[in-house]
Amino acid sequence: AAGVIQSPRHLIKEKRETATLKCYPIPRHDTVYWYQQGPGQDPQFLISFYEKMQSDKGSIPDRFSAQQFSDYHSELNMSSLELGDSALYFCASSLLAGGPMRFFGPGTRLTVL
Amino acid sequence: DAKTTQPPSMDCAEGRAANLPCNHSTISGNEYVYWYRQIHSQGPQYIIHGLKNNETNEMASLIITEDRKSSTLILPHATLRDTAVYYCIVRDPRDNQGGKLIFGQGTELSVKP
Repeated sequence: AAGVIQSPRHLIKEKRETATLKCYPIPRHDTVYWYQQGPGQDPQFLISFYEKMQSDKGSIPDRFSAQQFSDYHSELNMSSLELGDSALYFCASSLLAGGPMRFFGPGTRLTVL
Repeated sequence: DAKTTQPPSMDCAEGRAANLPCNHSTISGNEYVYWYRQIHSQGPQYIIHGLKNNETNEMASLIITEDRKSSTLILPHATLRDTAVYYCIVRDPRDNQGGKLIFGQGTELSVKP
């Protein structure tokens, strides 16, 4: 079965650079969630989109923005990168009407040098 | 969403049942109990959920006490591949269609040979 696809899987950036992470949800899933997981931390919710509209917002820095496109894929844009942005970034998708299951992607490991 | 309390770590012998407890004494009537797990550096994985009845699927069983203030996730025959952090999450699925899941401190289960 198709799973959530994230690209790139690994990304290395310098401080103050920008980065764009992409997420391709499971086909027919209409909701996308972004999570950030720092070293030794639990996943922290950043933002979610339902039918291309932002549906919820967590602890996402103002330097980050995200959107969901007409094909339901989503992009997380990160600017003015800081060392503390180094983390695993997970995307999850769900079929909103399908209840509680969130299907997570393999994550993008961002390293900021 | 109701707060949950889980032991930070547990050990289990391979082939034995792993019983992971979760306290959620402030759970409200419409809130479900969800269990996810995260194998090291992988995306979290949905395991099971329930409201008040015990539930079983191919991965695990969920036992919810009659007063719903606590629950236990049971892995009937733990394998080394079940070594992971297990998260117990409580939320009302009707609360905010954005539907974020909040990952608190989970239980790090170590299955040993």
